[in-house]
Amino acid sequence: AQKVTQAQTEISVVEKEDVTLDCVYETRDTTYYLFWYKQPPSGELVFLIRRNSFDEQNEISGRYSWNFQKSTSSFNFTITASQVVDSAVYFCALIRDNNDMRFGAGTRLTVKP
Amino acid sequence: DSGVTQTPKHLITATGQRVTLRCSPRSGDLSVYWYQQSLDQGLQFLIQYYNGEERAKGNILERFSAQQFPDLHSELNLSSLELGDSALYFCASSVDLGAETQYFGPGTRLLVL
Repeated sequence: AQKVTQAQTEISVVEKEDVTLDCVYETRDTTYYLFWYKQPPSGELVFLIRRNSFDEQNEISGRYSWNFQKSTSSFNFTITASQVVDSAVYFCALIRDNNDMRFGAGTRLTVKP
Repeated sequence: DSGVTQTPKHLITATGQRVTLRCSPRSGDLSVYWYQQSLDQGLQFLIQYYNGEERAKGNILERFSAQQFPDLHSELNLSSLELGDSALYFCASSVDLGAETQYFGPGTRLLVL
């Protein structure tokens, strides 16, 4: 069975603080893909990153960075110098080749000015 | 804007009724996915179509059905609606089969009274 756990239900930070959103996954497969999506208050789901299980390199995109560690089955997401516009619910997701994408429960991030 | 369109944006109906949600994938995408987002169940995968054929099924109720037409748009039919079917229904599309990145539409918010 595959499962994604986002233990942090809600996080609140003040603008310019760094924040890390945790994601822990379970799967028996050796080939799988991990994703992060952002759901702003407007409701749509915005794709942020896709990572396959064979690529453990960390990735940085502007203020966003991702740390993938297979040893701990984690795929954590860090926002550096957070901004009010980063306020949203963030979802981590896992998919194998069967197209059944499993989402975590989401972490609601509030960035206060 | 992901390029995936969904209509209608909002739908209010009564228990026992039937509704149809429509989705147009991004240009060039052959796979369409349907998801349900509710407060108690989170984001759940319902069903996937690829080039007109059903390819994967998730937690889709028997009262729900979907299809993908030759022009690749998809419809999700929800019948004998219950109060618990109130949710945000997302459509997503991807280029191909497998664990490709799924791009989500804005969603249809269904309220069953």
